[in-house]
Amino acid sequence: QKEVEQDPGPLSVPEGAIVSLNCTYSNSAFQYFMWYRQYSRKGPELLMYTYSSGNKEDGRFTAQVDKSSKYISLFIRDSQPSDSATYLCAMSLAGATNKLIFGTGTLLAVQP
Amino acid sequence: GAGVSQSPSNKVTEKGKDVELRCDPISGHTALYWYRQSLGQGLEFLIYFQGNSAPDKSGLPSDRFSAERTGGSVSTLTIQRTQQEDSAVYLCASSFGSGVGETQYFGPGTRLLVL
Repeated sequence: QKEVEQDPGPLSVPEGAIVSLNCTYSNSAFQYFMWYRQYSRKGPELLMYTYSSGNKEDGRFTAQVDKSSKYISLFIRDSQPSDSATYLCAMSLAGATNKLIFGTGTLLAVQP
Repeated sequence: GAGVSQSPSNKVTEKGKDVELRCDPISGHTALYWYRQSLGQGLEFLIYFQGNSAPDKSGLPSDRFSAERTGGSVSTLTIQRTQQEDSAVYLCASSFGSGVGETQYFGPGTRLLVL
């Protein structure tokens, strides 16, 4: 079993929809949680970074962490075709904040 | 400013040959990371350099893989006696430091195909 599980998709939604992307993890010692966006043939770019359980909002994006359930989510409101990409969750331990453990990524397609 | 750059963009090699992949981090970034991204797999951590400290090699999958970072800047990942299972995208990232919350900035990757 992988430390971080993520549904690979693909996920196809119409423009304007609310998108929910999720990851589960098995190591309760993970303390830091990130979401990266990766466009085709590009490197990943950081979207959101969270530390504690709860919600963090940035524009149309909301990251949610539930440490008790070992479950994190990324919500995208009013999705746009430009949001079409692969979304990767990543997490790290308190003593190794630089060594990121990634999910496999979810491919999202937003249809105009 | 310029981001992380990697070369070559694509590399096709024959099984058993050695390959070298290059990474130029963002100027001033002290930390440098190598990851591997295989089809259907997430990014897999390979190795991490921080300043002049000994690198964290804990993610290297075998002794055929090695990396060095010269002068605290450019890094080279070397794969000796390549195997077909080494085919993947090799991504390099750099960050200003290595503390909590430091953002890793990724390059576009080198796509390696071993025939």
